[in-house]
Amino acid sequence: GDSVTQMEGPVTLSEEAFLTINCTYTATGYPSLFWYVQYPGEGLQLLLKATKADDKGSNKGFEATYRKETTSFHLEKGSVQVSDSAVYFCALKGIYNQGGKLIFGQGTELSVKP
Amino acid sequence: GAGVSQSPSNKVTEKGKDVELRCDPISGHTALYWYRQSLGQGLEFLIYFQGNSAPDKSGLPSDRFSAERTGGSVSTLTIQRTQQEDSAVYLCASRKPTGGTEAFFGQGTRLTVV
Repeated sequence: GDSVTQMEGPVTLSEEAFLTINCTYTATGYPSLFWYVQYPGEGLQLLLKATKADDKGSNKGFEATYRKETTSFHLEKGSVQVSDSAVYFCALKGIYNQGGKLIFGQGTELSVKP
Repeated sequence: GAGVSQSPSNKVTEKGKDVELRCDPISGHTALYWYRQSLGQGLEFLIYFQGNSAPDKSGLPSDRFSAERTGGSVSTLTIQRTQQEDSAVYLCASRKPTGGTEAFFGQGTRLTVV
């Protein structure tokens, strides 16, 4: 079945450092891909998405490119801020839907220090 | 309301008791999901409702877990004879029926079984 694998955390960075959180997936065809973020004490929010190969999702300075050849959707940000401290989840929705459910990775906790 | 609403926000129960968790989806969202987020774990899919179709129950971990959705709106997740391993945050999400659109999550119910 479809699955998502994320790099394990926690990840600790200094402010203004470059961020990469790796995400790879296993799925049939071309699933839709998502990054969700969970800030401390808050619910999950969609950060960005891409629905076809080579699409780049972007939001709040974060970017991720849908790479079919490497089945990856790595999250990047050029200069992180303390306010980016959160747990980040990579997710997919398969083309055969599997009931339409989203399949999530384990989550990666990011801590940004001033 | 504007977002997905879950109640209660916190629930402490004794082992062996039954609990009911409630989810009010966004109006007009026909798709509704329940997920479980255990400490240090990712998001585990539990059940998915789509309109009047039969729900996808493939993620329910045991027959102690059940869910219903009345009138295509409010959903209740019931856990019977709770066990300590049921302690987790239970998240509800809803989505418009068309594919590729984001799912909106509630704040979750933190269940603690003592």
